[in-house]
Amino acid sequence: GENVEQHPSTLSVQEGDSAVIKCTYSDSASNYFPWYKQELGKRPQLIIDIRSNVGEKKDQRIAVTLNKTAKHFSLHITETQPEDSAVYFCAASISPGTYKYIFGTGTRLKVLA
Amino acid sequence: NAGVTQTPKFQVLKTGQSMTLQCAQDMNHNSMYWYRQDPGMGLRLIYYSASEGTTDKGEVPNGYNVSRLNKREFSLRLESAAPSQTSVYFCASRFGASSGNNEQFFGPGTRLTVL
Repeated sequence: GENVEQHPSTLSVQEGDSAVIKCTYSDSASNYFPWYKQELGKRPQLIIDIRSNVGEKKDQRIAVTLNKTAKHFSLHITETQPEDSAVYFCAASISPGTYKYIFGTGTRLKVLA
Repeated sequence: NAGVTQTPKFQVLKTGQSMTLQCAQDMNHNSMYWYRQDPGMGLRLIYYSASEGTTDKGEVPNGYNVSRLNKREFSLRLESAAPSQTSVYFCASRFGASSGNNEQFFGPGTRLTVL
């Protein structure tokens, strides 16, 4: 079946450094790739997303890159701050028209002050 | 706008008991979803409803049933709770494929413990 693998499961960086989280997906028909941030005890919230017709998208300190050939996409956070500490989830849409997403298992990011 | 709301926030059940988790959205979304979140497992789709009047199974549907009561409300029922169903349950909604807007909005979650 379809799946999304996410690495690493935990990531610690010094404040001001960059963080990179990587995901691979199996369904070649996937065409939408969101990233969610979940703070402790809170709901997941969308931080950035990318469609399959775009290779890169940036929003201030956050960027996402997509390599359709290799079927992987990455989240890049620059100039990390303590408030970036959270669990981040990637996801991929399953075959168009099914309205379903498969989520990765999450990355716990700790930004050390 | 309240967004996506869920009730209850917390629940403790004994094995074999039944209960219904309620979800409602006021964003006029077409599609609604139920996920469970377990440590190290991410979010796994239980059931979803692409539009009012339709429901379909996700990755982990066993032990659950759903009802899309109307466009706003989507409930999840556990007929005979088991300890393996101890989890945090999230409801989510989105406009639907034809809108071109793919973002899913999540509710605050229900923390369920089955003893």
